[in-house]
Amino acid sequence: NAGVTQTPKFQVLKTGQSMTLQCAQDMNHNSMYWYRQDPGMGLRLIYYSASEGTTDKGEVPNGYNVSRLNKREFSLRLESAAPSQTSVYFCASSEIFYWNPDTQYFGPGTRLTVL
Amino acid sequence: KQEVTQIPAALSVPEGENLVLNCSFTDSAIYNLQWFRQDPGKGLTSLLLIQSSQREQTSGRLNASLDKSSGRSTLYIAASQPGDSATYLCAVIPQGGSEKLVFGKGTKLTVNP
Repeated sequence: NAGVTQTPKFQVLKTGQSMTLQCAQDMNHNSMYWYRQDPGMGLRLIYYSASEGTTDKGEVPNGYNVSRLNKREFSLRLESAAPSQTSVYFCASSEIFYWNPDTQYFGPGTRLTVL
Repeated sequence: KQEVTQIPAALSVPEGENLVLNCSFTDSAIYNLQWFRQDPGKGLTSLLLIQSSQREQTSGRLNASLDKSSGRSTLYIAASQPGDSATYLCAVIPQGGSEKLVFGKGTKLTVNP
């Protein structure tokens, strides 16, 4: 039981390049999330997916796209990377029990630098 | 818009001391409040989750309380150890939307041997 896994762990891009961050969970959770963490800003939600086939914007969605490939996988794509997207990206998943959201489980993060 | 504040931003204590971390939120309409721990260069680990109908949760040396009406939560750590050194994050899930966490900026705790 690996929990939430993310690839890659580290990535350096040049401005304008594209890349996809991968996330997978093996806990059979319906909900998945992408956050970014920046110094002094805390964690902010980029996109989330309440169930397979649905995605919604979070607080800071500009410059990103997501795909909920199946129940296990939720990917985040940067189409044209910008230095402002230098950050640490975390994927998380959770479930709802009796209409109450449960704990979110986080992956180890992807450290992205855009030059 | 829900905002979460954590005070202090950093705290340094000697080993063995009991300590309290504070979290406040602006809107009392929440599903739950969660406390996380983050070690340098690592992801987040869930410590405690308090449902909106609960007053406190305990796990080992940790005790978290919730006063929803005043918009406050505290995380109490008993008999602190150097291994407790980490950043502690508080987050709430507001009602009326999806299960999105709104985070505070964290308290960086250092426990000195």
